[in-house]
Amino acid sequence: AQTVTQSQPEMSVQEAETVTLSCTYDTSESDYYLFWYKQPPSRQMILVIRQEAYKQQNATENRFSVNFQKAAKSFSLKISDSQLGDAAMYFCAYNTDKLIFGTGTRLQVFP
Amino acid sequence: DAMVIQNPRYQVTQFGKPVTLSCSQTLNHNVMYWYQQKSSQAPKLLFHYYDKDFNNEADTPDNFQSRRPNTSFCFLDIRSPGLGDAAMYLCATSRDFGGQETQYFGPGTRLLVL
Repeated sequence: AQTVTQSQPEMSVQEAETVTLSCTYDTSESDYYLFWYKQPPSRQMILVIRQEAYKQQNATENRFSVNFQKAAKSFSLKISDSQLGDAAMYFCAYNTDKLIFGTGTRLQVFP
Repeated sequence: DAMVIQNPRYQVTQFGKPVTLSCSQTLNHNVMYWYQQKSSQAPKLLFHYYDKDFNNEADTPDNFQSRRPNTSFCFLDIRSPGLGDAAMYLCATSRDFGGQETQYFGPGTRLLVL
C-alpha cells in the first residue's frame, strides 16, 4: 500500500526567509502524481503545486518549488520569500487513483 | 467564480440524531468526494461518486451514506452520529478520475456531536 510521511509536524520561518517542508512516500508504482496542498486556518484546502513522476524537471509555481527525488521517493516543498499569508497546514499527497495524504506540517510565519 | 460550496459551515447535532451535510459545485466536474478530517489529522476518504456511480471505501462505516441527485449536488448522511464522528467533513471535486486530476476542495463543515 502507498504511504506518505511528513516528518515535521511543525515548522516556523521568518518573513522573507526560505523554508523547506519534507515529504517521503512509498510506492511500487512507476507512474503517479504528487501534490502539495495548503490548508489555511478555517479556510479551504487549495493546491500549491503538483509533480508528475515521469517528469524529471522539478515543478515551480512562483515562490513555491519542489525537489523531487524519484529514486529516494522524496518530494520536498521549498517556499521562498515567505509571507505571513503562507501560514497554514501543508499536506503532501500521492495520487494514482485516489489521494493519499501525509499527516501534514503546520507552518508558522513570523514577522 | 466556479467553486465548491459546503453548507452549513458548522453543524451541531445530538448523539444518534441523523444529520445531513451538503455540497454543491459550479465546476461541472464528474467526480465528487467526501473526506473526514479529524483534528490535526490528514483527510480520510469516505467515498466518491463518478457521475452517478457510487464508490465506497472499504473501511467507511455503514453509518455514513451519500446521495448525488444531480451533477451539482452531493450529500453526506450520517444516520446515527456518535461522539467519534465529530470532525471536519470536506467535499472535493475533480474533472475526471485518475492520478493526474487535481481535486478542488470546499471549505468544509465542522460537525459537533453532543
